[in-house]
Amino acid sequence: GQQVMQIPQYQHVQEGEDFTTYCNSSTTLSNIQWYKQRPGGHPVFLIQLVKSGEVKKQKRLTFQFGEAKKNSSLHITATQTTDVGTYFCAGGMLNSGNTPLVFGKGTRLSVIA
Amino acid sequence: ETGVTQTPRHLVMGMTNKKSLKCEQHLGHNAMYWYKQSAKKPLELMFVYNFKEQTENNSVPSRFSPECPNSSHLFLHLHTLQPEDSALYLCASSQGAGTNTYEQYFGPGTRLTVT
Repeated sequence: GQQVMQIPQYQHVQEGEDFTTYCNSSTTLSNIQWYKQRPGGHPVFLIQLVKSGEVKKQKRLTFQFGEAKKNSSLHITATQTTDVGTYFCAGGMLNSGNTPLVFGKGTRLSVIA
Repeated sequence: ETGVTQTPRHLVMGMTNKKSLKCEQHLGHNAMYWYKQSAKKPLELMFVYNFKEQTENNSVPSRFSPECPNSSHLFLHLHTLQPEDSALYLCASSQGAGTNTYEQYFGPGTRLTVT
């Protein structure tokens, strides 16, 4: 089936360091969404990117959608302990009919104070 | 956040039991989803309902039976489960489902343990 690959699976950083997670699809996506799940919590929607090459920022978070609409990245500048959690990308598939988003396996971020 | 609620939050059941998970969304959405989250497969889509009609069933074993009586409520009926079915079961809703994908709003989940 259609898959969205996400790397790395785990990332440990010192507080204040930057963090990036990458998402790749073998097929062109209609859009990409990002979610954050805190430990013990549930996924919470962060943002959606639709246009080729789109870049969006939310405070210290920068989201990019590739020109070919097959890859995306989430970059966090100067991580804080509140950034701890698992970050999921989710790709909207073209010609999906009623098939919803396809989620990546997530990147679990640990921040050491 | 109280847009999507799930009950119970925790459930322990034996392999011969029958139980049901309930999900309710208060967002006026038309699509609802069941996901299974475990260490092996972080977010595994199980079922999709769009306007009360089941549109997706990702090869889920028949011991899981969904029910969607209206756009606001979704149930997952469980019977004769296996220990490997122990996981966090997440319900989600969105404005719709399909090519115009919308963001999904997740409930807090039901932590299921099968003994």
